[in-house]
Amino acid sequence: QQQVKQSPQSLIVQKGGISIINCAYENTAFDYFPWYQQFPGKGPALLIAIRPDVSEKKEGRFTISFNKSAKQFSLHIMDSQPGDSATYFCAASIVLTDKLIFGTGTRLQVFP
Amino acid sequence: GAGVSQSPSNKVTEKGKDVELRCDPISGHTALYWYRQSLGQGLEFLIYFQGNSAPDKSGLPSDRFSAERTGGSVSTLTIQRTQQEDSAVYLCASTPDRLGAGYGYTFGSGTRLTVV
Repeated sequence: QQQVKQSPQSLIVQKGGISIINCAYENTAFDYFPWYQQFPGKGPALLIAIRPDVSEKKEGRFTISFNKSAKQFSLHIMDSQPGDSATYFCAASIVLTDKLIFGTGTRLQVFP
Repeated sequence: GAGVSQSPSNKVTEKGKDVELRCDPISGHTALYWYRQSLGQGLEFLIYFQGNSAPDKSGLPSDRFSAERTGGSVSTLTIQRTQQEDSAVYLCASTPDRLGAGYGYTFGSGTRLTVV
């Protein structure tokens, strides 16, 4: 019940294309869903986050889509660029617990 | 400091030895977390410190693992009698307040531990 399942494990996209990464969860008590971006040799960095009271949040080229009934959320990267090549982690938490549960990560490669 | 600082950045140790990993959070951050990232795996929660509250140790995988946070600032993660399966990147993160306040984790660059 505490797991967050992430797919795909790896993704290759052409420059300018749309990258889509999906996550699913079981625990309906989760109420905070962030995405983190990690470059090699660095720690993950917060990219964008959403609460379950909205179905979509957009920041620049990055959009989170949230489907509460399906218990799924996804990250869309529009106009993907080679600089977006990184590993992306979804996560979920029950805010009061202050503890994030992370997915297994998606390695994105964007080719020019 | 400007970010979360972890040391050493790399550590190679022999099986059975004890190791200490250090985390220096952002000044003023009340919450501090340790996670472990194994090859091809997600980030596995280990332990969480919040202010003066008792730490949440629910993620520590065995009694060989322990952590302390002195003076509400620097934290040390200790692994006793290291095993090969302990090889991983150990990440520390801090936040200025509780997660619900909308702050994300700020991670350090991690300590890559290799047990040979």
